[in-house]
Amino acid sequence: KAGVTQTPRYLIKTRGQQVTLSCSPISGHRSVSWYQQTPGQGLQFLFEYFSETQRNKGNFPGRFSGRQFSNSRSEMNVSTLELGDSALYLCASSSLGGNSYEQYFGPGTRLTVT
Amino acid sequence: DAKTTQPTSMDCAEGRAANLPCNHSTISGNEYVYWYRQIHSQGPQYIIHGLKNNETNEMASLIITEDRKSSTLILPHATLRDTAVYYCIVRDGSPSGTYKYIFGTGTRLKVLA
Repeated sequence: KAGVTQTPRYLIKTRGQQVTLSCSPISGHRSVSWYQQTPGQGLQFLFEYFSETQRNKGNFPGRFSGRQFSNSRSEMNVSTLELGDSALYLCASSSLGGNSYEQYFGPGTRLTVT
Repeated sequence: DAKTTQPTSMDCAEGRAANLPCNHSTISGNEYVYWYRQIHSQGPQYIIHGLKNNETNEMASLIITEDRKSSTLILPHATLRDTAVYYCIVRDGSPSGTYKYIFGTGTRLKVLA
């Protein structure tokens, strides 16, 4: 079974621009979560989607948004980029079998804002 | 805030067992303990999880104390490839619970040749 894929893997943007990152979950997984990882703040939860609905949201400004499509693929968008948005953005997918909900992470998209 | 406390770093000799402790003294009855590891600049990798009983899989063993306030991840024969940051996370496993992980700072395990 193919793992979680994220595109693009690397991205360089300029302050003020916007960016869209894509995540394809493991086949059959309906839950997709997004995380931001920076050296200073570590791994922080952004939001989680299930069946095209956002179920949980972390403490990030409204510039960070996401969506999920009917095939469970998800995108996250960051508008008006700031230098502090430079980070590794990780996507994770989960099935809903049982109560365990372990998540499987993709390789991440490394975003650099200049 | 993270609900777990882990040592910042640990060293382990190659071939020996690596025992990584985690304190989760405020864990509630329906919260599972999860362990993940992250090798430099890669996405975190799921290792194991448990609720009450000890668990073992092909990667590791998870020992949870009877009061569930702490746990230990055991890598039975550590190799250089096990060098990574190990995260212990507690998460509500109920269908109505939160579906997000709150990561702490983790333990940086260095396996020495």
